[in-house]
Amino acid sequence: AQSVAQPEDQVNVAEGNPLTVKCTYSVSGNPYLFWYVQYPNRGLQFLLKYITGDNLVKGSYGFEAEFNKSQTSFHLKKPSALVSDSALYFCAVRDRDNFNKFYFGSGTKLNVKP
Amino acid sequence: DVKVTQSSRYLVKRTGEKVFLECVQDMDHENMFWYRQDPGLGLRLIYFSYDVKMKEKGDIPEGYSVSREKKERFSLILESASTNQTSMYLCASTNWTSGTEQFFGPGTRLTVL
Repeated sequence: AQSVAQPEDQVNVAEGNPLTVKCTYSVSGNPYLFWYVQYPNRGLQFLLKYITGDNLVKGSYGFEAEFNKSQTSFHLKKPSALVSDSALYFCAVRDRDNFNKFYFGSGTKLNVKP
Repeated sequence: DVKVTQSSRYLVKRTGEKVFLECVQDMDHENMFWYRQDPGLGLRLIYFSYDVKMKEKGDIPEGYSVSREKKERFSLILESASTNQTSMYLCASTNWTSGTEQFFGPGTRLTVL
């Protein structure tokens, strides 16, 4: 079955430190990969995506993500966390063989402490 | 600036009422989606539509129906609201271009009393 896993419900990091939010997927073929952020009582905002090419993708607000095909992972990273980065983060996958199919992880709550 | 709007940010209804949630996008997208979001469960797909008057059930369609009479508008209908339908409802749209992300509306927090 197709699935996306975010193994950590919550990640805590101090402001100024690097952060990583993990995502692994089990989707056949070579899917398209996305990261979204959600602030309280808001919809999801797109951060970045991997389509093809360079495995390191840069996105909004200084975030980047590394695609690893052998490990089927797409971890979200930022070199220096800000308190304002505290939010809920979702990893998502779009099936290349069926464009209507999007699979979402369960979300990871990022807490950045001053 | 591209936009997906939802008719209400907060809604309170009573058990048994018929509830309409409306979503409008201005990007000429073919595909539109309705999700519900509950703590610990992530996003679950209720229905999606890939064209006017075309729809497909998602993972949790029971108790819901949808309508898409115009390309830009996708409505979610709760025929008889129940307390277990209290949730955050998110609308999204995208197009057929394979690498395109979904664009989300701000969400409607529905409470059924």
